[in-house]
Amino acid sequence: GAGVSQSPSNKVTEKGKDVELRCDPISGHTALYWYRQSLGQGLEFLIYFQGNSAPDKSGLPSDRFSAERTGGSVSTLTIQRTQQEDSAVYLCASSNRGGPYEQYFGPGTRLTVT
Amino acid sequence: GESVGLHLPTLSVQEGDNSIINCAYSNSASDYFIWYKQESGKGPQFIIDIRSNMDKRQGQRVTVLLNKTVKHLSLQIAATQPGDSAVYFCAENKNTGNQFYFGTGTSLTVIP
Repeated sequence: GAGVSQSPSNKVTEKGKDVELRCDPISGHTALYWYRQSLGQGLEFLIYFQGNSAPDKSGLPSDRFSAERTGGSVSTLTIQRTQQEDSAVYLCASSNRGGPYEQYFGPGTRLTVT
Repeated sequence: GESVGLHLPTLSVQEGDNSIINCAYSNSASDYFIWYKQESGKGPQFIIDIRSNMDKRQGQRVTVLLNKTVKHLSLQIAATQPGDSAVYFCAENKNTGNQFYFGTGTSLTVIP
């Protein structure tokens, strides 16, 4: 079956530009996570959506980062005024239950800020 | 502060041998742990999980051991195959929160 998909797979942008990253979770999954993975590092939690509840934004590193989830399905992570330190792979994961349960990850979007 | 770390950043094993990947955690309140496998260019893939009320859990060719006394987690892979070559991450979670804390990963290389 279809897994989590993300687009674009690669994004190169100039410093100061805004970018939008998209995540299509597995159909029916109520929970959605965004993570950031820098080169050779583990995953850094960014934000968590569960159903219609208010998202857990506690991992967002600055107010330049925001995310939305429309209709409980597709999610968009937006980074405004990108900086070079934003360069990383951005991973999305979904789960069919909220809280600490198995998450299915997408392939990620590799963002490079020049 | 909280941390999830790995004892060895890299591990090389002969095909057919057993592999053991270790992970240390510092948060005694963590009660759920997951091992993920990440192949180059792909997102992490769930391998196995364990809750803090268990010491051991077995899957297909994999076993996770949890030692809460010393806050140590290990992943054992039996009869390691070339397809097992990847980076392995452990992640911990406190049941009261949504966040998973990931270690930096161990790179496993299987030598044919």
